[in-house]
Amino acid sequence: DAGITQSPRHKVTETGTPVTLRCHQTENHRYMYWYRQDPGHGLRLIHYSYGVKDTDKGEVSDGYSVSRSKTEDFLLTLESATSSQTSVYFCAIRSDRDNQPQHFGDGTRLSIL
Amino acid sequence: DQQVKQNSPSLSVQEGRISILNCDYTNSMFDYFLWYKKYPAEGPTFLISISSIKDKNEDGRFTVFLNKSAKHLSLHIVPSQPGDSAVYFCAASASGTYKYIFGTGTRLKVLA
Repeated sequence: DAGITQSPRHKVTETGTPVTLRCHQTENHRYMYWYRQDPGHGLRLIHYSYGVKDTDKGEVSDGYSVSRSKTEDFLLTLESATSSQTSVYFCAIRSDRDNQPQHFGDGTRLSIL
Repeated sequence: DQQVKQNSPSLSVQEGRISILNCDYTNSMFDYFLWYKKYPAEGPTFLISISSIKDKNEDGRFTVFLNKSAKHLSLHIVPSQPGDSAVYFCAASASGTYKYIFGTGTRLKVLA
């Protein structure tokens, strides 16, 4: 299994509060990604990183920010959580060789009441 | 606009028979395609991939076929086993982008 750890695995919080999800890898891979999974939508890319301090937006980035200060850690922050951000969040990593698959963590189930 | 589509939300197959999962894409720049399997409460697991220079890739019971002219790929599982019951996602990527676009998934149920 790829060395990816997501924390927390479950979180319940209230609307308007800030939330930070952490993704930690031990593979020293350059690329890291945050997705959300919702019924009927599959996996949608929120943000991704192509190196330390290098990040870019995905298809559903509104309301989310990310930071990557070390190769091994990629943080996803909801500055002011809304009920529409209730979802399962997955982190993924991949190497920078051509035509490589992503490898996913086990997810964080986030509920915003 | 969905660039990767899985039009069948669910599929049921008898154990030992063939499972065929389908995926269509619209972006002609995609040149690398993948299939993932996902069990409940776990992350997606990479299953098999294919580059656009090939039209078939096989790994044990799993074969992926790519029809570039139709912008269509399929995953064949032969023979199907109850442990194959999961949600299957197809994904596509274009060279140099390092981003992957996923379909909405197909839930496969293999009946014993």
